[in-house]
Amino acid sequence: DAKTTQPNSMESNEEEPVHLPCNHSTISGTDYIHWYRQLPSQGPEYVIHGLTSNVNNRMASLAIAEDRKSSTLILHRATLRDAAVYYCTIVGGKLIFGQGTELSVKP
Amino acid sequence: GAGVSQSPSNKVTEKGKDVELRCDPISGHTALYWYRQSLGQGLEFLIYFQGNSAPDKSGLPSDRFSAERTGGSVSTLTIQRTQQEDSAVYLCASSLRRTMNTEAFFGQGTRLTVV
Repeated sequence: DAKTTQPNSMESNEEEPVHLPCNHSTISGTDYIHWYRQLPSQGPEYVIHGLTSNVNNRMASLAIAEDRKSSTLILHRATLRDAAVYYCTIVGGKLIFGQGTELSVKP
Repeated sequence: GAGVSQSPSNKVTEKGKDVELRCDPISGHTALYWYRQSLGQGLEFLIYFQGNSAPDKSGLPSDRFSAERTGGSVSTLTIQRTQQEDSAVYLCASSLRRTMNTEAFFGQGTRLTVV
């Protein structure tokens, strides 16, 4: 399974964009890139996923590098409710999580 | 309900006892995953099912842990002779098929405390 590397923590100001990076240099050609987040005391929830092209949904955007060895989750306007641990995971069948990035949002 | 349901939500057990944790996935979801999350830690993969079979049991910490799934639906995670280090939140997730181009949905977890 491909390994992911994310910063342990990041800070953002409310209503500003947030770019959460993830490195996955051992990704293989058929692996999808998934992002999940876990709010305090809750189970993880799906955010977005992609294979090669950039993706947008109501929650976020996913920018995937051309060589697919890294990706960035973009929250366009952070809110206090976006404070969570964000997990980037490479999916080739199993769904394996790394340690994630703890995002704090300041008012 | 429409989501993944786990029961019980909380379980306190004495060291040495056996416990069973239940997961009801979303109807029609063929893939089912179990994870363990210790306090302040990330999600530790335990096992996943495709239908009733478990192609990958590599995450089970010891032979005291076992899991089964019947009818392609409900799954039970059993921990025998519980130890204090088994205390954690156990999370279950399901997806329409093996998660590649599909999202997984998580339950709220079972908080297990071994005293």
